[in-house]
Amino acid sequence: EIVMTQSPATLSVSPGQRATLSCRASQSVNSNLAWYQQKPGQAPRLLIYGASTRATGIPARFSGSGSGTEFTLTISSLQSEDFAVYYCQQYNYYYTFGQGTKLEIK
Amino acid sequence: QVQLVESGGGLVKPGGSLRLSCAASGFTFSDYYMSWIRQAPGKGLEWVSYISSSGTSIYYADSVKGRFTISRDDAKNSVYLQMNSLRAEDTAVYYCARGQSRSLGWFDPWGQGTLVTVSS
Repeated sequence: EIVMTQSPATLSVSPGQRATLSCRASQSVNSNLAWYQQKPGQAPRLLIYGASTRATGIPARFSGSGSGTEFTLTISSLQSEDFAVYYCQQYNYYYTFGQGTKLEIK
Repeated sequence: QVQLVESGGGLVKPGGSLRLSCAASGFTFSDYYMSWIRQAPGKGLEWVSYISSSGTSIYYADSVKGRFTISRDDAKNSVYLQMNSLRAEDTAVYYCARGQSRSLGWFDPWGQGTLVTVSS
């Protein structure tokens, strides 16, 4: 099983600032990585797939990078609606999710 | 628009059974892999099972193997999860999600989820 590890568990950032979230895979997943955003009481929403491709309708302030075992989700200028929990997920070998990073307002 | 709607959740006693359904609309259902993913209260996401577009490839997480069965009915644009021998640790919101056409891949969209509570 491929283990996905996200860091940090909680990230406190002020609105308008940049947020950088990390995701590490226990073995290479190539670029078969997705990022999701989940707000309380809602289903997750796809943000990024293929490690760096934004999903339809996702604002340009969201960007993904990385390949192999190290991945990053960057939100360039945080808006109030961006404070949520973010999950990475590999789909190179079946499926595994990271444990999530909670992005909170500083 | 593309939509997934789950149903069938509820309260069940340990050892009991439940069948979840997910009705799809807005896309060619038979072309896509479908998955079930769950989220225990206050916890993260756990992938449970997938079924390929043809229905010939099926896989389960170790935590549910031998107890849960995934199936699909392309004529009804639906995917199902039969859950037997339920345990307290199966308590979660269960989401269905669309994978990719004829392959694994990212999940988009997700349904709104259905809550399963296993308790005596």
